[in-house]
Amino acid sequence: QVQLVQSGPEVKTPGASVKVSCKVSADTFSTYEINWVRQAPGQGLEWMGWINGYDGDTNYAQKFQGRVIMTTDTSTSTAYMELGGLRSDDAAVYYCARGIWSTSLHWFDPWGQGTLVTVSS
Amino acid sequence: DIQMTQSPSSLSASVGDRVTIACRASHNIVTYLNWYQQKPGKAPKLLIFAASTLQDGVPSRFSGSGYGTDFVLTISSLQAEDFATYYCQQSYNIPRTFGQGTKVEIK
Repeated sequence: QVQLVQSGPEVKTPGASVKVSCKVSADTFSTYEINWVRQAPGQGLEWMGWINGYDGDTNYAQKFQGRVIMTTDTSTSTAYMELGGLRSDDAAVYYCARGIWSTSLHWFDPWGQGTLVTVSS
Repeated sequence: DIQMTQSPSSLSASVGDRVTIACRASHNIVTYLNWYQQKPGKAPKLLIFAASTLQDGVPSRFSGSGYGTDFVLTISSLQAEDFATYYCQQSYNIPRTFGQGTKVEIK
């Protein structure tokens, strides 16, 4: 059974960058698509984008264009999400989730355990 | 962006109750609709994809229906472990968007 294990909590100052990792326990990482979704405290879910583990192709939500970079390291089966120019409203739990496709249908399963990012001066 | 609106935002129910949660899309999304369950402090868990297909391992008391803009998640007989927040999500286009969530609480 595939598991996604994320890095630990982070505390950053405004304007800094944060890089969150998501390690996939699977031999077929290169066939995976990893999505990133965040959840501000007490709020709903917000999709940030995805990266294709095969060719590194990315698709970012327009809201995060220019501030987010998603990468993968196939040698360690790990995906990364780096968010720059942090603001107080970027404080959230950041989740990675595998994207699954069936023809053009698409859903997220499973999810990582989440990484809390705190932004504070 | 496609807006997803869930109703109600919260509800109180008892064990054994039948519960329905509605999700409306601002655009026709055919059956590109997924449902997730989230418990406090935990990651979301996929329940249903493609509007009505139950994910492996999800109890059969959960069901989904709908097409186009209106969708429903039904829990036929609420169990103690079902108290959680439920989210719908569209995968019709980019950006993927979620409903604001429906919190199911114990009456």
